[in-house]
Amino acid sequence: AQTVTQSQPEMSVQEAETVTLSCTYDTSESDYYLFWYKQPPSRQMILVIRQEAYKQQNATENRFSVNFQKAAKSFSLKISDSQLGDAAMYFCAYRGIQGAQKLVFGQGTRLTINP
Amino acid sequence: SAVISQKPSRDICQRGTSLTIQCQVDSQVTMMFWYRQQPGQSLTLIATANQGSEATYESGFVIDKFPISRPNLTFSTLTVSNMSPEDSSIYLCSVVRDYQETQYFGPGTRLLVL
Repeated sequence: AQTVTQSQPEMSVQEAETVTLSCTYDTSESDYYLFWYKQPPSRQMILVIRQEAYKQQNATENRFSVNFQKAAKSFSLKISDSQLGDAAMYFCAYRGIQGAQKLVFGQGTRLTINP
Repeated sequence: SAVISQKPSRDICQRGTSLTIQCQVDSQVTMMFWYRQQPGQSLTLIATANQGSEATYESGFVIDKFPISRPNLTFSTLTVSNMSPEDSSIYLCSVVRDYQETQYFGPGTRLLVL
């Protein structure tokens, strides 16, 4: 079974600085998707960024980018120019190509932005 | 993306009672899922809601406790039956429009069982 591990329960960063959230996963599949979701206090799950495993190029969405290391099974999220609105729980998630399409989530990292 | 609504947004219930949560999507979707998020925890998949057939439950979740319906391609319900305080959680509906697309989440239903 696939597993996702986020080893940082909490992180903090100064406003306008850069922060990196870590995620590792375990799978025997060669094709899959990886995601970062953000959950602010409203509890709404918001997609931040998505990476297809077959793509070597790292995904980027404005201030958010990933460092995808397939061989190391690592998928970190970098947030540049951190803003107060970035404060939230961040969840890393895995989804296989085959079968049930379900998401497997990591434990989450709580990100605090210091003004 | 899809626009997803859930009803109710929150509720406080007495133990031993049941609550039905509704999930409505603004367009037809291929797959619908129900997740549970216990306080301070990550999300755990309860089941995949299958249109016109019985839901597919994950290990640790059973139909008698969490009956699910999906009568069409835009709507599903999750019932939390015979509730206990341990069922206090956020319940989230999510959808996938096609097999290549991202999974999107509804706003969640916050349930407190006394």
